[in-house]
Amino acid sequence: EAGVAQSPRYKIIEKRQSVAFWCNPISGHATLYWYQQILGQGPKLLIQFQNNGVVDDSQLPKDRFSAERLKGVDSTLKIQPAKLEDSAVYLCASSFEQITDTQYFGPGTRLTVL
Amino acid sequence: KQEVTQIPAALSVPEGENLVLNCSFTDSAIYNLQWFRQDPGKGLTSLLLIQSSQREQTSGRLNASLDKSSGRSTLYIAASQPGDSATYLCAMNTGFQKLVFGTGTRLLVSP
Repeated sequence: EAGVAQSPRYKIIEKRQSVAFWCNPISGHATLYWYQQILGQGPKLLIQFQNNGVVDDSQLPKDRFSAERLKGVDSTLKIQPAKLEDSAVYLCASSFEQITDTQYFGPGTRLTVL
Repeated sequence: KQEVTQIPAALSVPEGENLVLNCSFTDSAIYNLQWFRQDPGKGLTSLLLIQSSQREQTSGRLNASLDKSSGRSTLYIAASQPGDSATYLCAMNTGFQKLVFGTGTRLLVSP
């Protein structure tokens, strides 16, 4: 079974530029998550989708971050404009059911904002 | 505020030692608690998931326990190996798969 795919793996941008990350979950997984992991910290949930609907985006900085999951499969997370404090690893995860299933994580995208 | 704390932040042991990683959480009304492993430059791998009704789970050399009343979980690693070197994260599921993570314990097992 193929795992969660993410691209790009690394990205370096200047502050105030925009950037987009892509995630393809495990086939059949209805729930998709985006996490931000700052160096030395645990992952923090940014947004959770159930199929193509948003379940939780309470910690998403909506003035600069946006995410979509068209057709309930793959997803894109965008930052515009980026700030220095957005430097982090962005992790995508998926799970089959919402409540009790474990989440499967992709390798992440390491973003550096200069 | 929902928080997860992991102690110690870093641990270095010689190969073959048994060790315990600690996790404490503030919300006793959890659905489950999970332990993950994170290798440098890679995503997280789920190790063990303990449902709120369970006391422990075992997988090979790993054993995780859960005490909801005290808000604590431990991950026991038996006969540690250099390949166990990684960061170990615990996360509580507060409902609808919303995971709140700790900051992790960096483990180094020396040959």
